[in-house]
Amino acid sequence: EIVLTQSPATLSLSPGERAILSCRASQSVSSYLAWYQHKPGQAPRLLIYDASNRATGIPARFSGSGSGTHFTLTISSLEPEDFAVYYCQQRSNWPSTFGPGTKVDIK
Amino acid sequence: QVQLVQSGAEVKKPGASVRVSCKASGYTFTNYFLHWVRLAPGQSLEWMGIINPTGGDTDYAQKFQGRVTMTRDTSTSTVYLELSSLRSEDTAVYYCAREPRGGHEYDYWGQGTLVTVSS
Repeated sequence: EIVLTQSPATLSLSPGERAILSCRASQSVSSYLAWYQHKPGQAPRLLIYDASNRATGIPARFSGSGSGTHFTLTISSLEPEDFAVYYCQQRSNWPSTFGPGTKVDIK
Repeated sequence: QVQLVQSGAEVKKPGASVRVSCKASGYTFTNYFLHWVRLAPGQSLEWMGIINPTGGDTDYAQKFQGRVTMTRDTSTSTVYLELSSLRSEDTAVYYCAREPRGGHEYDYWGQGTLVTVSS
């Protein structure tokens, strides 16, 4: 199975700063990579699909890039509601796998 | 609007079984695959399996083979997850999630069901 590695594990930033999250795959997943935001007690929320496409209703400050084995989620200017855990997910190969997550917390 | 509404929290003893439901609304139930994903304390999201609501075909993660059953009821637009021989490591929040047509991601998720396995 494809292993996804996310870095850093924790990102401590202030509102208004830029966040750059990394996701690396153990083998190529083409562009079949998605990013989710997860807050405690809530359902995960799809942010980005197919590596770079914003999901419906997602603000433009969220952007995704990459292909193959290296992907990036960028939040251009953190809003208070953006502090959460972010997971990447691949469905290129069976079974679908998720990364361990990056927690973005308030500095 | 699309909604996936799951059943409430469960507390089970080791060795027991649990059934979690996920009721879909706001779209044509048989047009989209549904998945089950869980999040255990201190762990990452873990894919458990997929069900095709049209024919009821399923595919399960190898880890859960023999312990998991996913079914659906098209008359109520509901899918079910049953997990048997529960152990403490199965304590987790269980989510159903919809796969969009032609997609490789999950666009809508249920609110989650906490299953606690404890003696």
